[in-house]
Amino acid sequence: NAGVMQNPRHLVRRRGQEARLRCSPMKGHSHVYWYRQLPEEGLKFMVYLQKENIIDESGMPKERFSAEFPKEGPSILRIQQVVRGDSAAYFCASSPGTGEDHEQYFGPGTRLTVT
Amino acid sequence: SQKIEQNSEALNIQEGKTATLTCNYTNYSPAYLQWYRQDPGRGPVFLLLIRENEKEKRKERLKVTFDTTLKQSLFHITASQPADSATYLCALYNTDKLIFGTGTRLQVFP
Repeated sequence: NAGVMQNPRHLVRRRGQEARLRCSPMKGHSHVYWYRQLPEEGLKFMVYLQKENIIDESGMPKERFSAEFPKEGPSILRIQQVVRGDSAAYFCASSPGTGEDHEQYFGPGTRLTVT
Repeated sequence: SQKIEQNSEALNIQEGKTATLTCNYTNYSPAYLQWYRQDPGRGPVFLLLIRENEKEKRKERLKVTFDTTLKQSLFHITASQPADSATYLCALYNTDKLIFGTGTRLQVFP
């Protein structure tokens, strides 16, 4: 059973370009979470999605950031017009349900560098 | 305001000793708390979950305690090994998502 997959693992973008980060949850998992981690900082929640629905986007910047989890295919975190401050590691996690005692399974992360 | 605090300073201990990491929180009433391990360049890996009505949980060399009065969880690694060196994160469940502490870096030296 493959774990959570993220690609690309490393992404370099110039200021003003778009970044697209992909996440394929574990098989059988319908809940996806995106987190951002800056150097020497903890994981910061960004958005929680279920298939075709955004459940909680309270941690996501209002502008330039969007996320989706379509019926078919991976979840996508999209950052438009990237700025240097967007440079970070972006982690995706999945879980099988909404129960409070569900552990989250994390992917290896995408390291975004904005030059 | 709501806070989850872990000791930001690295914890250095000798192999074979018990490592104890602390997680304190304020203005939360979590139903449970989780601990994760994160190695450099990798995503966190789940270790243990403890519910509010559980005082202690064990898994092999790991032990977690949860004191809802003190608003504190302690994470112990007994008979520590150099392979235990990593950053350890605590996380609280809030509404529909996990809120993570900043983590404590543990270094076990031979």
